[in-house]
Amino acid sequence: EAGVVQSPRYKIIEKKQPVAFWCNPISGHNTLYWYRQNLGQGPELLIRYENEEAVDDSQLPKDRFSAERLKGVDSTLKIQPAELGDSAVYLCASSVTGNYNEQFFGPGTRLTVL
Amino acid sequence: DAKTTQPNSMESNEEEPVHLPCNHSTISGTDYIHWYRQLPSQGPEYVIHGLTSNVNNRMASLAIAEDRKSSTLILHRATLRDAAVYYCILRDRYGGATNKLIFGTGTLLAVQP
Repeated sequence: EAGVVQSPRYKIIEKKQPVAFWCNPISGHNTLYWYRQNLGQGPELLIRYENEEAVDDSQLPKDRFSAERLKGVDSTLKIQPAELGDSAVYLCASSVTGNYNEQFFGPGTRLTVL
Repeated sequence: DAKTTQPNSMESNEEEPVHLPCNHSTISGTDYIHWYRQLPSQGPEYVIHGLTSNVNNRMASLAIAEDRKSSTLILHRATLRDAAVYYCILRDRYGGATNKLIFGTGTLLAVQP
C-alpha cells in the first residue's frame, strides 16, 4: 500500500516569494492534516480536513498561509509571502475518518527561506 | 491539554531491551496515551497507544502505571533501526472537533552497536 506522498521534498526560496506544498494521502483516508515542525521540536498541527472541510484551522497563520483540499483527496498548502521564520519541515498526514489513534505521516517538505 | 514529560535523550545497546519513560501527572480519565516515533529525515510513525491496561503489538509494549500518572514504552530488543525520537502524547478520547495530537520534544534514543 502506498503511503502519504508529498512533494517537493526540499524547497529553497528567498523571503517574500510564494511557495506551495502538495500532499496525496493514503487512498480511502478522508482525514488529512498539515503539520509544521521546527528544528528540534515536535510537529505542530496547522490544519485538519475532514473530506473537503477544514474542521480545525485554529493554528494556521491566516495572513500568509492558505490550504485547500478541493476534491477531498489531494491537498495544497501555500505560503505567500514566505518569511525567514517559515523555514521548517512541513508534514502531511492522513487517517481513516473517526480513527484518531493512528495517523500516517508523509516524509515532509523541508523549506529553507533565505 | 495535559502535558507529558520525557527525558531529552537515552542510550541503549543493540539487542538489549529499552524502557522509555513518560510522566503525565495531570492526565485525565478520558486521555489516551499515544507513542509515536520519528526516524531521521522521516515523518512520525505510530507505535502504540493505550488507556488503562498494558498493551502489546509487534513493535513494542506499553506499560501504564496503575494511577496512570506515568507510562513506559518498552522495546524488547533494540536494533540500530530503532534510533529515533520517541514522542509520548496524551489525547482526549472525547476531544471532538479539536481532537488532535500535541507533540512535545520527545526522547532521542541512540542505539549503540
